[in-house]
Amino acid sequence: AQSVTQLGSHVSVSEGALVLLRCNYSSSVPPYLFWYVQYPNQGLQLLLKYTSAATLVKGINGFEAEFKKSETSFHLTKPSAHMSDAAEYFCAVSFNAGGTSYGKLTFGQGTILTVHP
Amino acid sequence: DAGITQSPRYKITETGRQVTLMCHQTWSHSYMFWYRQDLGHGLRLIYYSAAADITDKGEVPDGYVVSRSKTENFPLTLESATRSQTSVYFCASSLGTGGSTGELFFGEGSRLTVL
Repeated sequence: AQSVTQLGSHVSVSEGALVLLRCNYSSSVPPYLFWYVQYPNQGLQLLLKYTSAATLVKGINGFEAEFKKSETSFHLTKPSAHMSDAAEYFCAVSFNAGGTSYGKLTFGQGTILTVHP
Repeated sequence: DAGITQSPRYKITETGRQVTLMCHQTWSHSYMFWYRQDLGHGLRLIYYSAAADITDKGEVPDGYVVSRSKTENFPLTLESATRSQTSVYFCASSLGTGGSTGELFFGEGSRLTVL
């Protein structure tokens, strides 16, 4: 069975500081990994995804994540936080069935990012 | 480009009443999903569908019914609403065909309150 653990339900940073949101996964087969962002009263939007190509994945809004198989991690980073980054972030894992995923994602519990001026 | 739309966006109902949340997508995606979002639990899968007339249970299906007579629609029905079903419900879709990475596309959510 696959699972996702996000370390820290709340993360607070100052504007301009490094953002680091942690995600560890468990999967018995090579996974597909995703980070989604949710702004208040909205649905989830895809930030970036790992699909077994490059281990360092770049996404929208300056975010990136690195897949580390040995650590079973997929942490999300951004060098310099902006006020507009304040949102809830979800890590998710999907089952990779021979190069195809059917979208049945397992989500972490979410991390709320607060950015202080 | 309408994408995926949910209705109603907000609903208040009473315990024991039947409620149906609608979901419509314009992409002809094969797979559709219903998740519920609750504080401390993230998103949990209720039901999903691989195609018209094919549905399967997710992690928390009790108390819910789904149908998919057409590819583009995937309604979720609470047959007898309970207070524990107060939540935000998200519909999502996925291409789900060969080579797909399984990216989900989400609607904006339906906030349901059961009194």
